[in-house]
Amino acid sequence: SYELTQLPSVSVSPGQTARITCSGDVLGENYADWYQQKPGQAPELVIYEDSERYPGIPERFSGSTSGNTTTLTISRVLTEDEADYYCLSGDEDIRVFGGGTKLTVL
Amino acid sequence: EVQLVESGGGLVQPGGSLKLSCAASGFTFSGSAMHWVRQASGKGLEWVGRIRSKANSYATAYAASVKGRFTISRDDSKNTAYLQMNSLKTEDTAVYYCTRRDHPTRPFDYWGQGTLVTVSS
Repeated sequence: SYELTQLPSVSVSPGQTARITCSGDVLGENYADWYQQKPGQAPELVIYEDSERYPGIPERFSGSTSGNTTTLTISRVLTEDEADYYCLSGDEDIRVFGGGTKLTVL
Repeated sequence: EVQLVESGGGLVQPGGSLKLSCAASGFTFSGSAMHWVRQASGKGLEWVGRIRSKANSYATAYAASVKGRFTISRDDSKNTAYLQMNSLKTEDTAVYYCTRRDHPTRPFDYWGQGTLVTVSS
């Protein structure tokens, strides 16, 4: 079975850059997506196919992949970006989420 | 406007069964794969399983944690997907979301609001 590893938490100050990473062997051969989830809400798509920004998502959000690690980068972080972020990948049959990273904007 | 609306959640005893529904509108339901994702309180997202379109033989796949106990089905005439959950365990307690992929390589772009399933005696 696949596993995707994320750090449980990342903290940044407003205006700084946040980098949230996700690692796993499955990323070497499959695209990753990133989802943002705020308390009490359903997840929302942010980045798909490693680096494509979903319509309506600010340009401050970007994604990249190198080897078995995919990274969500949020530039010029705003307080409204505080949320849980999940990576997702997998093959044609099985999808797997990372454990999630709580982004705190201090 | 794309909408996914889950229903059918509730309280069930361990060992019991429950069937969730996901009513879709605003897109070509018959052409999309439908997935279920769950989230226990305070925990992360867990992919549960999916059913593909008729063109892809309604193929299903499941997470190891639910395989053999959960069954996903769909009724394209009603634009509805289902999650039949049998032999429920306390660890199945979670909010269950349905979501779609309109192509095998596309992301989960629309999600329902979720329905809460509580397994407890």
